[in-house]
Amino acid sequence: AQSVTQPDIHITVSEGASLELRCNYSYGATPYLFWYVQSPGQGLQLLLKYFSGDTLVQGIKGFEAEFKRSQSSFNLRKPSVHWSDAAEYFCAVMNAGNNRKLIWGLGTSLAVNP
Amino acid sequence: DTEVTQTPKHLVMGMTNKKSLKCEQHMGHRAMYWYKQKAKKPPELMFVYSYEKLSINESVPSRFSPECPNSSLLNLHLHALQPEDSALYLCASSQKGGGTGELFFGEGSRLTVL
Repeated sequence: AQSVTQPDIHITVSEGASLELRCNYSYGATPYLFWYVQSPGQGLQLLLKYFSGDTLVQGIKGFEAEFKRSQSSFNLRKPSVHWSDAAEYFCAVMNAGNNRKLIWGLGTSLAVNP
Repeated sequence: DTEVTQTPKHLVMGMTNKKSLKCEQHMGHRAMYWYKQKAKKPPELMFVYSYEKLSINESVPSRFSPECPNSSLLNLHLHALQPEDSALYLCASSQKGGGTGELFFGEGSRLTVL
């Protein structure tokens, strides 16, 4: 069965520092991979997605992610974090089959120190 | 217009009440979703409507009853809920039925069951 692991439950970084959020997946074929962000009291917003092709994908708000098949990873990065990036970040993989559903990681909570 | 609008934002109801959550999108999307989210957890899929037909029901108790009157509207009718049903209920839409993983979420309706 497909699964997604986000090893870090909570991360704190200083404003202006770089950020990397880890995501590992378990999936037999080439996965569809996603990162979503949820600001406090808000719904979720798609940051970026990987379907195929270039393994480095660019998203909104200055985020990027790299798909590494050999490591079953899809880590999210940002070179310089802003205070407004404090939020919950969810990695997700889409399963195969007729009724495709997102399989979600448990999330990483990001705090940003001024 | 790239919004998914959910009403009400907050709802408090007793266990014997009947209430409804509403969701609307005007992006021409053909799939709509209900998710339930507990604090600090990923969203849990409840229902999917694809081309106005119920395509996925994740074994949700019958006290939750979805309705899709047309391609822009999605309702969730609530009756005889339990306190453990208190959560953030998120509506989402996607361009195609069948699922691409690219979901547009509303801000959610926060439900408290007394």
